[in-house]
Amino acid sequence: DADVTQTPRNRITKTGKRIMLECSQTKGHDRMYWYRQDPGLGLRLIYYSFDVKDINKGEISDGYSVSRQAQAKFSLSLESAIPNQTALYFCATSDPGRETQYFGPGTRLLVL
Amino acid sequence: QKEVEQDPGPLSVPEGAIVSLNCTYSNSAFQYFMWYRQYSRKGPELLMYTYSSGNKEDGRFTAQVDKSSKYISLFIRDSQPSDSATYLCAMSEEGGSEKLVFGKGMKLTVNP
Repeated sequence: DADVTQTPRNRITKTGKRIMLECSQTKGHDRMYWYRQDPGLGLRLIYYSFDVKDINKGEISDGYSVSRQAQAKFSLSLESAIPNQTALYFCATSDPGRETQYFGPGTRLLVL
Repeated sequence: QKEVEQDPGPLSVPEGAIVSLNCTYSNSAFQYFMWYRQYSRKGPELLMYTYSSGNKEDGRFTAQVDKSSKYISLFIRDSQPSDSATYLCAMSEEGGSEKLVFGKGMKLTVNP
């Protein structure tokens, strides 16, 4: 089974709708991250959480909110989706002192 | 100026070629430098990790960091079709498990 899972894997929604993307991990890591990936712009950090009670804005948090329900779960919400939020969204986890973050398989979101 | 600059390509080479991928950066506080590889429809995975200036070799892959020039490189020798992927450079002030700043990613195709 995958260590970092994301649901849904693909989602089509309409402008103005509220949607939630979910991330779960079985790696036991305290740190979790949400990124979006756009062609020509690379990966950009939306929010990150170093533990359940610690949530921080990243580079591009406007229009997004997050919830850390447990050590293993970190959700990203788009309160009122807009077309320029069409992107590939990745969740990642890490442990302090490690060399890497571990990424999920991504959620492809299309906002019409 | 973006903190990390990476030519997004794409780059197409014949099998067996030597590939050179590069990133420049502006933040002199970056100490940790990474290359991630991302296959189509997958999340990024760590390929190489280096601290400060110098070279690191792993099989056909060599990572170089020149902090004085704020320039990092990834060399792939004897490139294989299985190397076809997007390569993203990433940097951090505090480590691979901390906040990362990514380049745009370079899409590489190795033709048989």
